[in-house]
Formats: sequence, C-alpha cells, structure tokens
Amino acid sequence: AQSVTQLDSQVPVFEEAPVELRCNYSSSVSVYLFWYVQYPNQGLQLLLKYLSGSTLVESINGFEAEFNKSQTSFHLRKPSVHISDTAEYFCAVSDAGNMLTFGGGTRLMVKP
Amino acid sequence: NAGVTQTPKFRVLKTGQSMTLLCAQDMNHEYMYWYRQDPGMGLRLIHYSVGEGTTAKGEVPDGYNVSRLKKQNFLLGLESAAPSQTSVYFCASREGLAFTDTQYFGPGTRLTVL
Repeated sequence: AQSVTQLDSQVPVFEEAPVELRCNYSSSVSVYLFWYVQYPNQGLQLLLKYLSGSTLVESINGFEAEFNKSQTSFHLRKPSVHISDTAEYFCAVSDAGNMLTFGGGTRLMVKP
Repeated sequence: NAGVTQTPKFRVLKTGQSMTLLCAQDMNHEYMYWYRQDPGMGLRLIHYSVGEGTTAKGEVPDGYNVSRLKKQNFLLGLESAAPSQTSVYFCASREGLAFTDTQYFGPGTRLTVL
C-alpha cells in the first residue's frame, strides 16, 4: 500500500516571496509522483510529474519539484509567488497501477 | 472540446433519497474515475473503470454504485443517501494506455445530504 503526507494544510505567504510545499510518500515499490493544482471552484489540473530521469522537474509557470528517493520526498517550490498562485495543491503517487493516491492537500494563500 | 463535464453542479438531498451523478468526456479516454473530496483528506477514489462495460472498486466504494454503458459516460449512483456522503464529487478521465498519463478532472458536483 502507498500513502502520501502533506505536512502543511495551509501556507500563507506574501507576494514575491519564495514558497515550499512539502510532500512525503511511502511505498514498497517504485513510484511515480505528481503535483496537481486546484484553483477556487475548479477541478484539479496537472502541474508537474516525475516519472524517471532527472530528479528535478519544472512546470511552465515557474514551479519546480525535486524527487528525493532517500528522504521519500517530492517537495514543490517556487522562488517568487504571485497572487494568481493562490490555490490548493495536491501531491499524488502512483505505483504503476490504475490508481493515484492523493495527499490531504495544502492551501497556498498569497497575500499582497 | 468540452473535456470532462459533470451534471449536476449542486444538489441537496434528504437522507434516504437516491440520485445519479453523470460524468461525460469527449476525449475518447478509456479510463474514468470517481473521487470524493473532503476537507483535509484530499481526494479518495470511489470507483473506476478501465473501459466500456467494466467497473472496479476504489478506496471508499461503500454506499455507491457505478455504470459505464457507453465509453464516454460514467455514472455514479447513491441508492440511499446518508449525511456522511456530503462531499464534493470529482470525475476524471485518462487516456489509459500508460499509467503515467495525466488524469483530466471535471469541475465537480457539490452534494449536501440533510
């Protein structure tokens, strides 16, 4: 069985400040990792994913995440956030099966 | 393309009533999923389907039934609604050939059971 823990339920941050959203997972097999974003009153959208190769993956809007196998982590970072980044972020893991397992979510609140 | 659509957007039920949520996708995806989202618990998988005519149980299937009679539609039924089923329900689809494919989500249905 696999599980995902997002350590922070809410992260308040001022605009243009850096942010890190933490994600840890547990699994007995090789995993594939995803970050999804949910803007207010919308469904989830894929932000980025790690499948293999370089452990650092980037999204088109400036987010990046690093896969750390020894620490079983996949933290999401952005060097300078914008008001428009206000959303809920979900980390998810797949063990190459049919299902994704999601973490509890982290609400990022960007303040002016 | 509309992507993934869900009907209805909101619904209020009384305990014991039944209802069906409809999910439709126009991307010709093989895999479809139903999740529920509750505060602090992320998304939990209720049922899923790997193709027309097939369904399988997810993490929290009790109290729900599903059907996939047509490839583009995935129905979620509540036979006798309970207050514990108050939640936001999301449908998703995936092309299916590779487990690494992206899941595409609908906008959600907010269900309240009184």
